[in-house]
Amino acid sequence: ETGVTQSPTHLIKTRGQQVTLRCSSQSGHNTVSWYQQALGQGPQFIFQYYREEENGRGNFPPRFSGLQFPNYSSELNVNALELDDSALYLCASSSPGGDSGANVLTFGAGSRLTVL
Amino acid sequence: AQSVSQHNHHVILSEAASLELGCNYSYGGTVNLFWYVQYPGQHLQLLLKYFSGDPLVKGIKGFEAEFIKSKFSFNLRKPSVQWSDTAEYFCAVKDDGGSQGNLIFGKGTKLSVKP
Repeated sequence: ETGVTQSPTHLIKTRGQQVTLRCSSQSGHNTVSWYQQALGQGPQFIFQYYREEENGRGNFPPRFSGLQFPNYSSELNVNALELDDSALYLCASSSPGGDSGANVLTFGAGSRLTVL
Repeated sequence: AQSVSQHNHHVILSEAASLELGCNYSYGGTVNLFWYVQYPGQHLQLLLKYFSGDPLVKGIKGFEAEFIKSKFSFNLRKPSVQWSDTAEYFCAVKDDGGSQGNLIFGKGTKLSVKP
């Protein structure tokens, strides 16, 4: 089975710009979650998408937004980039019926964003 | 708000030494507990999980963890570490509220094993 794939792997932006990160979920998974991992920190939940709708959100401002497509892939969009948005952005997929529990996440390798 | 504490930022061990990494969480209700591992240059991988039942859970590569509800703890153990266990280890908690993908992670413990 294919895992979670993310693109791009690295990118550099300047303050005020907008960025779109992409994620393809693992085969058979219909739920996608996005996390931000700042340097030296654990991943922090941004939001989750299920059936193309956001159904859970962490403590992130509205300039962080997302989409989920019918094939369960997803995008994370960040507007008006700030220096503190520099981080590794992780996508994780899961499936309610999989692996004896709803909460086992399969992570991608991440997209490392640098904001100058 | 739910929080997860990992007591050690960096642990350095020699091969064959025993390992115990501490993890404490703050939520008093029903929880799902996880340990994830991130090997150098690789993505986060599930090491083991606890949902219910036997509080001593076994994971991959000889790791195990014990859920002690009274102590709000879920410590990770391995009797004898190998050089290949060098990685960063993250404890994570899912409480019984919130969406299925909303895990609260600790800050991680970096393990360095000397050959």
